[in-house]
Amino acid sequence: QKEVEQNSGPLSVPEGAIASLNCTYSDRGSQSFFWYRQYSGKSPELIMFIYSNGDKEDGRFTAQLNKASQYVSLLIRDSQPSDSATYLCAVGGMDSNYQLIWGAGTKLIIKP
Amino acid sequence: GAVVSQHPSWVICKSGTSVKIECRSLDFQATTMFWYRQFPKQSLMLMATSNEGSKATYEQGVEKDKFLINHASLTLSTLTVTSAHPEDSSFYICSAAEPSGGFTDTQYFGPGTRLTVL
Repeated sequence: QKEVEQNSGPLSVPEGAIASLNCTYSDRGSQSFFWYRQYSGKSPELIMFIYSNGDKEDGRFTAQLNKASQYVSLLIRDSQPSDSATYLCAVGGMDSNYQLIWGAGTKLIIKP
Repeated sequence: GAVVSQHPSWVICKSGTSVKIECRSLDFQATTMFWYRQFPKQSLMLMATSNEGSKATYEQGVEKDKFLINHASLTLSTLTVTSAHPEDSSFYICSAAEPSGGFTDTQYFGPGTRLTVL
């Protein structure tokens, strides 16, 4: 059974600090990793994806992947109240037919 | 890029009627589209995978005769909730998959349809 685990939170972070969101996965064959943000009552929106070990930066967001330890994380620098949302981790494979496995999401609250 | 539209954004219907929801990829061709359902404060639940020109693949526990999916073109998939009942009231979200060059396709979500069945 392929699983993706996230701490449900809520994770409370003061404004301006770094928010760190973590995700672990069970399938060692996983090769593609996605972070989505979902505001309450809205649909998920893609933040970024990562395929290779290491860090990938996009603006205030950094995705970190460690395949040996089977975890992927998302760092949000200079957190803003508008970053308050649920963050979903999804894990995929090496081909188009590999079904994405979704985590249940971490609720992030940025306190002004 | 990678914009997905969904229509209608909300719908209220009477019990026993059918409701059709459209999902379109606006700026790319999506060979695969997905339909999700989400109840308040709960996780996304994949209902079915829709491939252009073939029958949809339904997840366990999802009634294919109740949730009819048609994926007639590379940019359009429809979900029809037949004989809707109050327990079908939920947030229905589609996503369209953009090929990712050998990795699992990246999914882009539509804005969702909030269905209320009276």
